[in-house]
Amino acid sequence: EDQVTQSPEALRLQEGESSSLNCSYTVSGLRGLFWYRQDPGKGPEFLFTLYSAGEEKEKERLKATLTKKESFLHITAPKPEDSATYLCAVHPRGSNTGKLIFGQGTTLQVKP
Amino acid sequence: DTAVSQTPKYLVTQMGNDKSIKCEQNLGHDTMYWYKQDSKKFLKIMFSYNNKELIINETVPNRFSPKSPDKAHLNLHINSLELGDSAVYFCASSPWGSGESEQYFGPGTRLTVT
Repeated sequence: EDQVTQSPEALRLQEGESSSLNCSYTVSGLRGLFWYRQDPGKGPEFLFTLYSAGEEKEKERLKATLTKKESFLHITAPKPEDSATYLCAVHPRGSNTGKLIFGQGTTLQVKP
Repeated sequence: DTAVSQTPKYLVTQMGNDKSIKCEQNLGHDTMYWYKQDSKKFLKIMFSYNNKELIINETVPNRFSPKSPDKAHLNLHINSLELGDSAVYFCASSPWGSGESEQYFGPGTRLTVT
């Protein structure tokens, strides 16, 4: 069964303290892996798409990487405004329908 | 300017009632989705329409019925509401339905069934 597991569930950082969020997946082939940010009371906001192992993408303080079994979202020198829940989702290769399988998310809190 | 909009944002109703949630996207996308997010923030797809055609219909009670009058709109009608239907419902859209394109989400509708 296709599955996505994110860790840790919650992460507290001091401003400037870099860290990484993990997304492990078990799918029958990967068509794409997506990272989203969700603020309280809002819908998920798209961050990155990764398609193949070894691929990396960056946006401001965020960098997403992909291996054959997991993806990492690295946060460098985070600021309080980076506090949010970060969601990972995969699109299995066997599906042509756009069905995404989401992890449960990592809630990040950055303290000033 | 809103890309994907939903109404209402909050919906409080009693068990047994019938309610609808509306979704509209102005991105020109071909594919639209309904997701349910439970109290643990787990997002699960319910339905997907591509150019008004149903392409994903997950194991959802048949009390839930999506309707797509045109490719910019996807509404969700729920009959005989139950306590377990309480959740946040998100609408999303993507340029095409093959799954390789990112999905853009609306602000959500928080449904509370009492």
